[in-house]
Amino acid sequence: DARVTQTPRHKVTEMGQEVTMRCQPILGHNTVFWYRQTMMQGLELLAYFRNRAPLDDSGMPKDRFSAEMPDATLATLKIQPSEPRDSAVYFCASGLVLGSGGHTVYNEQFFGPGTRLTVL
Amino acid sequence: SQKIEQNSEALNIQEGKTATLTCNYTNYSPAYLQWYRQDPGRGPVFLLLIRENEKEKRKERLKVTFDTTLKQSLFHITASQPADSATYLCALTLGGSQGNLIFGKGTKLSVKP
Repeated sequence: DARVTQTPRHKVTEMGQEVTMRCQPILGHNTVFWYRQTMMQGLELLAYFRNRAPLDDSGMPKDRFSAEMPDATLATLKIQPSEPRDSAVYFCASGLVLGSGGHTVYNEQFFGPGTRLTVL
Repeated sequence: SQKIEQNSEALNIQEGKTATLTCNYTNYSPAYLQWYRQDPGRGPVFLLLIRENEKEKRKERLKVTFDTTLKQSLFHITASQPADSATYLCALTLGGSQGNLIFGKGTKLSVKP
């Protein structure tokens, strides 16, 4: 049963510390997304990759957040330094997007269980 | 401004009734609209996808409609059960995008026995 995995599931850290979250997308999916969920803002897109290339990271604070995909089986989201306002649940999702332009076919996204981050 | 609104934060209904959830959007031109279910402490789970040229989609007890003139989608759960209690999220995929989803804030559905 293919699924997206994320580690760690929970992380409590102090302000100023570095946090790294990891995601293993479903094998064969070509698009990986990072979302953040808070009660106030709901689910917000932070960054996404297609075929491991970063496509858009305009949703995340550039000065402290970075997202990478070192290989097809691993995506990382790093926060350095972390701040209390970064406390949220971070979700990774993967999916298959086929074609391009007007012939693009989008399919559903598969979400991981999330990393609950608390920054004190 | 662009926004996605789901009709209410919470909806309470009696078991066996049909639950109807609404998703309205403004200043978007979605190519696709999707509905997800989210249980506490878990990631969203895909339910249904409907394309801009489709009016209605069904899957078992679920039905979704998509009206691009009204800029609205309705999500129905017929013969609702307590196990259907969860938060339901609508999400747009914009044409020409790379498949990223723009989510509404969700409606928390509670089905009472």
